[in-house]
This record gives sequence, structure tokens and C-alpha cells, in this order.
Amino acid sequence: DTAVSQTPKYLVTQMGNDKSIKCEQNLGHDTMYWYKQDSKKFLKIMFSYNNKELIINETVPNRFSPKSPDKAHLNLHINSLELGDSAVYFCASSPRTGVGYTFGSGTRLTVV
Amino acid sequence: QQQVKQSPQSLIVQKGGISIINCAYENTAFDYFPWYQQFPGKGPALLIAIRPDVSEKKEGRFTISFNKSAKQFSLHIMDSQPGDSATYFCAAQGQKKSSGDKLTFGTGTRLAVRP
Repeated sequence: DTAVSQTPKYLVTQMGNDKSIKCEQNLGHDTMYWYKQDSKKFLKIMFSYNNKELIINETVPNRFSPKSPDKAHLNLHINSLELGDSAVYFCASSPRTGVGYTFGSGTRLTVV
Repeated sequence: QQQVKQSPQSLIVQKGGISIINCAYENTAFDYFPWYQQFPGKGPALLIAIRPDVSEKKEGRFTISFNKSAKQFSLHIMDSQPGDSATYFCAAQGQKKSSGDKLTFGTGTRLAVRP
């Protein structure tokens, strides 16, 4: 009965590969997010979707493409992976503004 | 630029002591200020939050103090316990139309509570 679940938890891949991370929430929230946490633990927003509509697209290389098939799912596809993409990626959801997010447990991506 | 500044970067406190983490923000459009707690290998979890119309909010051993005129807020952990050892993040959120509903995080404080 995990609220926000991400798969996989760990991902090790070579430079140049394409990979996807999946996220699902069973909270009935309207808005979902992707955040990147770097090696210094800094959390930075990448994208947000509200009811399948892209709301926020921060300055993220266009090798990153989010896809939301329905409001309970937000996937992240990354093309041509680079060493600098190594980080922990968190999915989160929120019912509305002014209420805290619920985060998933993260996907640790290592590009070698 | 860093819109939410957090200090200290790391903090060591003895069991039973008070842990204090400070944050300052620049954007006056922010109107929701949560604190998150993150354990190793886990996602951040909402700990406590405050809105600028109150100066203090307390939940158990955790208290947020908010100073709107100074644009500062802080987290106080009373009677700190070894189980409180984690990384703490302050954050700020503005109205949906001004910021798209995103949470802007501080840089985090690694707290270690010694037995």
C-alpha cells in the first residue's frame, strides 16, 4: 500500500544508453513531480504535471522527457545518458498548493 | 540564485539537547513553508509546516518559528534523540500562478544526535 512508488530503486547503466524510471501514486493526488537530488543532497525540481498536463519544465536538458499516461503515473525517460546524470531521482505528488508533497523512496541512477 | 538559504550545513547535538536549523528566503510571494526530514536511502518526508500568518507552530518536540519581516524561519527540535539523526530540509512554496506550485528547497542540514 505504498503511497508513491518508484521503480527501479537502483539503476546502473553505461554512458549513451536510454533508460526510464516509473512512478505511480495511489493517493488520488492531482499533481506529480520529478526532483533530482545531487551528490551534495540538493533537491531541485525538474518537472511537474497536473492531471496529465505539463505545468513546470525547469531548465532540464531535452534528453529528459516526462510522460504522464494518467494522473496516477508519471514516468521519466532519459536519452543518451551522461556521467553528470548520476543522481537520485525522486517522484512526488501533492493534492493541491499549500499542502506538503509525498515523496517516493527514490531511484539511484549511476552512469558509468 | 539560491532562493532559500539554510544553515548550518551540519550540526552535532547531544541527546536531550535542542537542535536549531535556520532558513531565510527572498521571494515575498512564498506563503507556505514546510520542513522535511530525510533518512539515508529514503525520500524526504514532511515533518511540519507553517504559513506566514502565524509566528510559531508546534507539533510534539518540533517547533517552527517564523519571522515574516525578516523573511526567516527556523526549526527547533527539543529533547533531541539519536533517532532524529537525519538530513533536514526547509522549503518554500508560492501561489500556483506565480511559481507553478513548486517547492523550492534549502540546501539541507545533516543532524547527528550523540547518545
